[in-house]
Amino acid sequence: KAGVTQTPRYLIKTRGQQVTLSCSPISGHRSVSWYQQTPGQGLQFLFEYFSETQRNKGNFPGRFSGRQFSNSRSEMNVSTLELGDSALYLCASKPTPTGELFFGEGSRLTVL
Amino acid sequence: AQSVTQLDSHVSVSEGTPVLLRCNYSSSYSPSLFWYVQHPNKGLQLLLKYTSAATLVKGINGFEAEFKKSETSFHLTKPSAHMSDAAEYFCVVSPSGGSYIPTFGRGTSLIVHP
Repeated sequence: KAGVTQTPRYLIKTRGQQVTLSCSPISGHRSVSWYQQTPGQGLQFLFEYFSETQRNKGNFPGRFSGRQFSNSRSEMNVSTLELGDSALYLCASKPTPTGELFFGEGSRLTVL
Repeated sequence: AQSVTQLDSHVSVSEGTPVLLRCNYSSSYSPSLFWYVQHPNKGLQLLLKYTSAATLVKGINGFEAEFKKSETSFHLTKPSAHMSDAAEYFCVVSPSGGSYIPTFGRGTSLIVHP
């Protein structure tokens, strides 16, 4: 079974631009969640989608948004990028609400 | 509300010696607890999980953890460290009800000396 796939793996943007990251979950997993990982703040929950509906949202500004498609693939978007948005963005899927998370390898975003 | 505290930001051991990574938690619900490992520039990989079955949980690569409710701890151990164990380890608590949003510890960097 293929794992969680995130694209792109690395990207560089400048302040003010926007970025879209993609995540394909493990087949059959309907829950997809996103996390931001930085050295200063650690791993922080961004949001979770289940069956195309946002089920939970973390404490991030409205510049961070996401969506999920009918095939469970998910995208997250960050608009008006700031230097502090530089981070590793991790996507994870899980088979059940209480199940373990299966992570992708992440998208490393650098904002210049 | 829930929280996770990993008591050591760095742990340094010699190859072949035991490993102990400490984690304390608090949770309003009966939680599920996990340990994940992250190698450089990689995603997180599940080592083991506790979901209210046996209190001693065995995971991959020789790791195990013991759930102690009275101490609200879930420490990770391994009898003999290997060079390939050098990585970042995260303790995670997830409620068994409500929002199911996981809370991550800040991580413990395990350094293994030859």
